[in-house]
Amino acid sequence: KAGVTQTPRYLIKTRGQQVTLSCSPISGHRSVSWYQQTPGQGLQFLFEYFSETQRNKGNFPGRFSGRQFSNSRSEMNVSTLELGDSALYLCASSLDGQGNQPQHFGDGTRLSIL
Amino acid sequence: QKEVEQNSGPLSVPEGAIASLNCTYSDQGSQSFFWYRQYSGKSPELIMFIYSNGDKEDGRFTAQLNKASQYVSLLIRDSQPSDSATYLCAVIGGFQKLVFGTGTRLLVSP
Repeated sequence: KAGVTQTPRYLIKTRGQQVTLSCSPISGHRSVSWYQQTPGQGLQFLFEYFSETQRNKGNFPGRFSGRQFSNSRSEMNVSTLELGDSALYLCASSLDGQGNQPQHFGDGTRLSIL
Repeated sequence: QKEVEQNSGPLSVPEGAIASLNCTYSDQGSQSFFWYRQYSGKSPELIMFIYSNGDKEDGRFTAQLNKASQYVSLLIRDSQPSDSATYLCAVIGGFQKLVFGTGTRLLVSP
């Protein structure tokens, strides 16, 4: 069974640009969550999608947005990039996002802002 | 107070010893607890999860829950240098959100 697939693996952007990251969950998983990981802040929850609907949202500005498609694949978009957005962005999937279902992570997208 | 707290370490143990990692959580209603291992430059990998109904053992790993004191522990028996990594504790909090601690770095010396 294939794991969670994130593309691209690495991205370099400049301030003010926007970026779209993609995540394909494990087959059969319908919940997709996104996290930002930085050395200082650890893993911070961005949002969670289930059945094409955003079900949960973390404390990030509106520049961070996402969506989920009918095949459960998800995209995350960051607009007007700032230097502080440099981070590892991780996607995790689970069967239904309920508390008794573990989340499995993809390899992440490392975003660098110049 | 942070929702999930872990000592950042590093926790240094010799090869073959038992490594004990702890995390405390603030939400008394939490029912699900997860341990992830993250090697440097890699993504978190799920190694154990337990629910509020009991402890769990899987090979060299044992996860224990102390609900009264609101902490979860991970014991690694016969620690190996390959166990050297950062261990992240995660707890299901309000609205079914998974909340992570900042992780404990474990160093196992040969």
